[in-house]
Amino acid sequence: GENVEQHPSTLSVQEGDSAVIKCTYSDSASNYFPWYKQELGKRPQLIIDIRSNVGEKKDQRIAVTLNKTAKHFSLHITETQPEDSAVYFCAAIPRGYSSASKIIFGSGTRLSIRP
Amino acid sequence: DTGVSQDPRHKITKRGQNVTFRCDPISEHNRLYWYRQTLGQGPEFLTYFQNEAQLEKSRLLSDRFSAERPKGSFSTLEIQRTEQGDSAMYLCASSLEGSTGGAFFGQGTRLTVV
Repeated sequence: GENVEQHPSTLSVQEGDSAVIKCTYSDSASNYFPWYKQELGKRPQLIIDIRSNVGEKKDQRIAVTLNKTAKHFSLHITETQPEDSAVYFCAAIPRGYSSASKIIFGSGTRLSIRP
Repeated sequence: DTGVSQDPRHKITKRGQNVTFRCDPISEHNRLYWYRQTLGQGPEFLTYFQNEAQLEKSRLLSDRFSAERPKGSFSTLEIQRTEQGDSAMYLCASSLEGSTGGAFFGQGTRLTVV
């Protein structure tokens, strides 16, 4: 069935280092992949997304890459800062964004930035 | 506030009671989603509307759960005969079909069943 797997479940990096979170999806028709950041007690917030017609997208210190052949996509955070500490969720829309479809979320990665 | 709003923010109810939550999406958004989130887990899909049509409902959702979006604007989620296992954060999100943006979440309603 439709599934998004995410790893690692927890990640601790030194401030200033890079963090990478990886996801795989099952529905090859998926064509839209958002990433959400959720701070403790707050709502998930969309931080970046990528569509299947591009392989990489960057916004300041965060970037996402997509490998449609392997059905993998990743979030990269460079020069990590304490405020990057949060839970990050990847997501995918099976059957494609132009179709009416739900959003499937990964199980989350708790990122901790060590000072 | 032009974001997604949910009401109430917190609800404590006794087991067996019915509860109803409301979600007001971003005004021009025609897609509306309901999710449930428990501690340490990702949002779990419950149901989804495009305009007033409920297009999909999770197979994991029992018949005690029902959602409506009668005029294609706000939505309500009702849980009948609540159980302790229903305790969770209930999140609503909205998006605009065909836009380049994603779905945006409300603050959620935290339900505690005692």
